[in-house]
Amino acid sequence: DAKTTQPNSMESNEEEPVHLPCNHSTISGTDYIHWYRQLPSQGPEYVIHGLTSNVNNRMASLAIAEDRKSSTLILHRATLRDAAVYYCILYNQGGKLIFGQGTELSVKP
Amino acid sequence: GAVVSQHPSRVICKSGTSVKIECRSLDFQATTMFWYRQFPKQSLMLMATSNEGSKATYEQGVEKDKFLINHASLTLSTLTVTSAHPEDSSFYICSASKGPLDSNGYTFGSGTRLTVV
Repeated sequence: DAKTTQPNSMESNEEEPVHLPCNHSTISGTDYIHWYRQLPSQGPEYVIHGLTSNVNNRMASLAIAEDRKSSTLILHRATLRDAAVYYCILYNQGGKLIFGQGTELSVKP
Repeated sequence: GAVVSQHPSRVICKSGTSVKIECRSLDFQATTMFWYRQFPKQSLMLMATSNEGSKATYEQGVEKDKFLINHASLTLSTLTVTSAHPEDSSFYICSASKGPLDSNGYTFGSGTRLTVV
């Protein structure tokens, strides 16, 4: 399974944008880039995914580098409820979701 | 949207007993379900892949006789921790996929906190 690299932790101020980076230099052409987040004592929650083009949804935006070797999850206005561990995962249809260590995001009021 | 229900959310059992955890896809048929465990301050570790109507596929190092998985229908998979010991205490999480052609990935249950005393 192709691996991803994320910073262990990041801090943000409330109501400011947050950019969470992810490196995936060994990504294959059929790998989707998925982001999940996990709040304490809960199961992971789907955030967003993409293949080649940038994506937007109500939760976040996903910016994918042209060579697809890195991506950035963008939370436009962080709230205290966005404090969680964010996981960037490469997913191949029919494959398995393998979690790395993720980035623990803390949001300061 | 897709919803996965996991039950129970918390369970305490005595050492040596067995515990069954259920994972249901409420509004879609899940041909594939996955079971993870998570220790405190650690990431999720995939234990096994559960396919409806066939035997589960276990990840390396996971004892299939200890963690029995049954996927009898397209909406239900169960994980039974047999002869539980304190070291089996963990957070168990299931997830479900609509199938190999679903690029939306997985939907996760809310997890089961197992404590073996």
